[in-house]
Amino acid sequence: EVQLVQSGAEVKKPGESLKISCKGSGYSFTSYWIGWVRQMPGKGLEWMGIIYPGDSDTRYSPSFQGQVTISADKSISTAYLQWSSLKASDTAMYYCVRLGSSGWFDYWGQGTLVTVSS
Amino acid sequence: EIVMTQSPATLSVSPGERATLSCRASQSVSSNLAWYQQKPGQAPRLLIYGASTRATGIPARFSGSGSGTEFTLTISSLQSEDFAVYYCQQYNNWPALTFGGGTKVEIK
Repeated sequence: EVQLVQSGAEVKKPGESLKISCKGSGYSFTSYWIGWVRQMPGKGLEWMGIIYPGDSDTRYSPSFQGQVTISADKSISTAYLQWSSLKASDTAMYYCVRLGSSGWFDYWGQGTLVTVSS
Repeated sequence: EIVMTQSPATLSVSPGERATLSCRASQSVSSNLAWYQQKPGQAPRLLIYGASTRATGIPARFSGSGSGTEFTLTISSLQSEDFAVYYCQQYNNWPALTFGGGTKVEIK
């Protein structure tokens, strides 16, 4: 069974750094793109970026380029999303997703709620 | 960037009735379109990909149609568990993937 298990909720202050994780299991982690999707409170879904763990090829949405860093450690089948300096506007639910063969998101993690507040 | 526009924003439907949701792309995405369902407090789940192919385990009452710029998700007979928010997503312009704003299907 394919599973994406994300790290737990975080509460941070503006300016702090953060790295959240997503561990894949039940499939070949290095053979599928893994992505991140943001959902701000009460809002829709926004694609942030994707990484191919096999060779670490990474692509970002223009809206998120330079704002976050996506990485992966294939030795432990885990993808990461990190911020160097959080803002209140980063408060959102973040979902880890696996991309199907052509670009749809076939499996979703349970979500990680990030709250940034002073 | 390809902009995806969903309509209506909210659809009020009685259980057992048919629901028809629309998704329009700002330029052709061929059949490279997916639909997702999100219930309150849950992660979205894939319903349809390739505009009309149901994902594994999705009931036959869900069907997708369309190509190019106009797409439709139809729920033939709404069940109580179908009241949720539905999103479309294009992947024709990979890796620039974009979602529509969503349609909330609520109980009439």
